[in-house]
Amino acid sequence: GESVGLHLPTLSVQEGDNSIINCAYSNSASDYFIWYKQESGKGPQFIIDIRSNMDKRQGQRVTVLLNKTVKHLSLQIAATQPGDSAVYFCAENIQGGSEKLVFGKGTKLTVNP
Amino acid sequence: NAGVTQTPKFQVLKTGQSMTLQCAQDMNHEYMSWYRQDPGMGLRLIHYSVGAGITDQGEVPNGYNVSRSTTEDFPLRLLSAAPSQTSVYFCASSYVGLWGYTFGSGTRLTVV
Repeated sequence: GESVGLHLPTLSVQEGDNSIINCAYSNSASDYFIWYKQESGKGPQFIIDIRSNMDKRQGQRVTVLLNKTVKHLSLQIAATQPGDSAVYFCAENIQGGSEKLVFGKGTKLTVNP
Repeated sequence: NAGVTQTPKFQVLKTGQSMTLQCAQDMNHEYMSWYRQDPGMGLRLIHYSVGAGITDQGEVPNGYNVSRSTTEDFPLRLLSAAPSQTSVYFCASSYVGLWGYTFGSGTRLTVV
């Protein structure tokens, strides 16, 4: 089976609220993680990444948290906007190994006005 | 700078037909890959290449062939289309050692 998965397939939030999207991974050797955003009819877009020597990384309105103890990854979106409505995927990789990324199944985020 | 370009955007095939999905990138990326995306299945790796002349299988390679004669192009060939290959196909590229892939906009393939 896939080594990367998600706790919830859908998430609905109100505009202006903060969103938290979760991801569980099973391969303890994975040391690099990426979040992608996919809007309807488009290819995935890179949002933010984090390496296993970090537990938190911040971008513009987004924060990724990594808990290696429980093999859990989360994406926090601050002040969620209608344009944030999309499917969000986490992906993992083992650096020094192949270039392959393993993707989770995705969480659909819907932002209600 | 066009990024990753996939053609065609839509295609309908009959069972048993063959076709080639095109992928081209203009970023001089060494790494290129093909994924398929099915409802509820996320993205699954079909084939990938770390440079011209080098290809390798991913998670779901059966029924597909690839070649990498140039850095820019990475075509995906369906040898004998089957309904199970109905999917959305994405090509992605990156620099080797940097895994922030750039994805194309996808090819929606229907096999009837």
